[in-house]
Parts: sequence; C-alpha cells; structure tokens
Amino acid sequence: GAVVSQHPSRVICKSGTSVKIECRSLDFQATTMFWYRQFPKQSLMLMATSNEGSKATYEQGVEKDKFLINHASLTLSTLTVTSAHPEDSSFYICSASPSDTQYFGPGTRLTVL
Amino acid sequence: GESVGLHLPTLSVQEGDNSIINCAYSNSASDYFIWYKQESGKGPQFIIDIRSNMDKRQGQRVTVLLNKTVKHLSLQIAATQPGDSAVYFCAETHLGGGSNYKLTFGKGTLLTVNP
Repeated sequence: GAVVSQHPSRVICKSGTSVKIECRSLDFQATTMFWYRQFPKQSLMLMATSNEGSKATYEQGVEKDKFLINHASLTLSTLTVTSAHPEDSSFYICSASPSDTQYFGPGTRLTVL
Repeated sequence: GESVGLHLPTLSVQEGDNSIINCAYSNSASDYFIWYKQESGKGPQFIIDIRSNMDKRQGQRVTVLLNKTVKHLSLQIAATQPGDSAVYFCAETHLGGGSNYKLTFGKGTLLTVNP
C-alpha cells in the first residue's frame, strides 16, 4: 500500500503557541489530503479537505482561522494549530489517496499545557 | 452491538476463534467501503475494501461481506491472533460523488483476543 508520513509524532506545547504538523505522501502524489482529529475511544472526525494549490475545505464547526491548512505541493500538506489551548489537545491524523483508497499517516499526538 | 455515548462496542474472542465485526452504514448512495485496523497510538491501517457491485471479498484471513439491502457490512477474521487486537473501523464513501472521496467512519469496535 501507499505510505503516508507525519511529523512530528508527538508535540507538547504551551498554551498560546502555534504548532505545525506535516503530512507527506512518500511514494505517490496527492492532489487531495484529509485532516482528521480523534479523541480517546472515539472515531475519526474529518476536519478539512486539503487541496493542492487552492484553499482547504473545512467541515462544519471547524474554525479555519484556528486550523490553518497549506497544501503547497503534491506531496506535502501542513496543519497549523494557531494559539493552541488545552482543549486542542488531541490525536491529529492525515490521509491521502493515490486512487480510491485512503491511506493514513501514523498520527500526531498534540498536548497543550 | 450499537455504541451509546462515548463507549466503543467491544468484542472479546479466544485466540484461534473466528471473529465477526459488524457495521451499519447510513448512506444508500455509498458505493465503496473500507475496513481499517487501528492499534493504540497509531493511525488507521487499511485491511480490505469492497465496492458496491460485490457482496463478498476475501483477503488473507479476512473476508468482507456487504449487504446493500439492509446497509450492513461485516468483517470476518479467521483464526484470530493476539496481534489482531485493535479497534476496527468501517468507512464508506461515494466514488464520483464530487466530494473527493470523503470518508464517513463508523464508531469502531474494540477487538480483544485472549490467549
């Protein structure tokens, strides 16, 4: 299957700072990537669809100014959590698709103190 | 069974037994379905997929069954092993629906394999 990576795998930051998470497709190009958020013992919640060369599409209830997405190349999308607060602590996962099937990154555990 | 609130449905089996994990989907327009396995602290891992023009598909030790009449999907794992312990999610989408293949995930089922 296709390989998707994320960096960092874990990040701890102070309240009020911004954190950038990278998502890369390693062996294929992806015009579309997806960002999810997952709370403990819950399913994945789609936050936004990242489109290469254009603006991201955000799901209802997701603040676009809070979660900035940049998809500058066919292999890289970034999610920046701006002015992070403890309630932003979560597991963030990206996915990308070379065809019909979506493949997921390993996830990034964000802890905001 | 169905989940209530934040609790994941759970399935506990003995090593070597067969496991069946069920999923009900809601969108009758969905035509592509995927099962993912998620181990603790990791991203979902693709297991097997099926398109709506099929009702059964087999992989290595896994079989997916699709019943479009009642909008039901199941994952069967043969000879379950301790390494199969994880949360299993079904996901659905409508290919060509203009949503860039946006997935809708089920609630997940926690499978525990007892040695």
